[in-house]
Amino acid sequence: AQTVTQSQPEMSVQEAETVTLSCTYDTSESDYYLFWYKQPPSRQMILVIRQEAYKQQNATENRFSVNFQKAAKSFSLKISDSQLGDAAMYFCAYRGDLRGLRFGAGTRLTVKP
Amino acid sequence: ETGVTQTPRHLVMGMTNKKSLKCEQHLGHNAMYWYKQSAKKPLELMFVYSLEERVENNSVPSRFSPECPNSSHLFLHLHTLQPEDSALYLCASSHAGDLRGEQYFGPGTRLTVT
Repeated sequence: AQTVTQSQPEMSVQEAETVTLSCTYDTSESDYYLFWYKQPPSRQMILVIRQEAYKQQNATENRFSVNFQKAAKSFSLKISDSQLGDAAMYFCAYRGDLRGLRFGAGTRLTVKP
Repeated sequence: ETGVTQTPRHLVMGMTNKKSLKCEQHLGHNAMYWYKQSAKKPLELMFVYSLEERVENNSVPSRFSPECPNSSHLFLHLHTLQPEDSALYLCASSHAGDLRGEQYFGPGTRLTVT
């Protein structure tokens, strides 16, 4: 079974600084997709960024980028120029088939002004 | 209404009650999901419906019973729940068969079992 591990329950970053959230996963499949979702306090979960396993190039979305290391089964999220609105729970997720997403336990990110 | 809506937003029920959670999506999707978010556990996938057929039942106890009458609506029927079933229940939707596609989440129903 696929498992997703986020080893940082909480992280903190100063506004305008950069922070990296870690994620590792375990799978025997070669084709799959990885996602980072954000859940702001009392608000709906939204997609931040996604990565296809067959692509070597790391995905980027504005201030958000990933470091995808397929051999190491690592998928970290880097947030540059952190903003107060980035404060949220961040979930790493895996999908390899038509079943739903497999999530990690989440990292709570605090942004200090 | 747009996106994914869930009702009720909060529910308190006794262990002998029967209640239902409702999810509706207005995005034209044809796959819908139930997830359970507990305080100290990762989000757990409970059920998946694709093209109105159940494709996943992730070892969920029978006191949870899903229903998907059409591609826009998803229900979770609850009966004789246990206190450990207290959690945030999230509904999501996406395009069936699109593994890279974004899942759109509702705001959740906060369930408390007393």
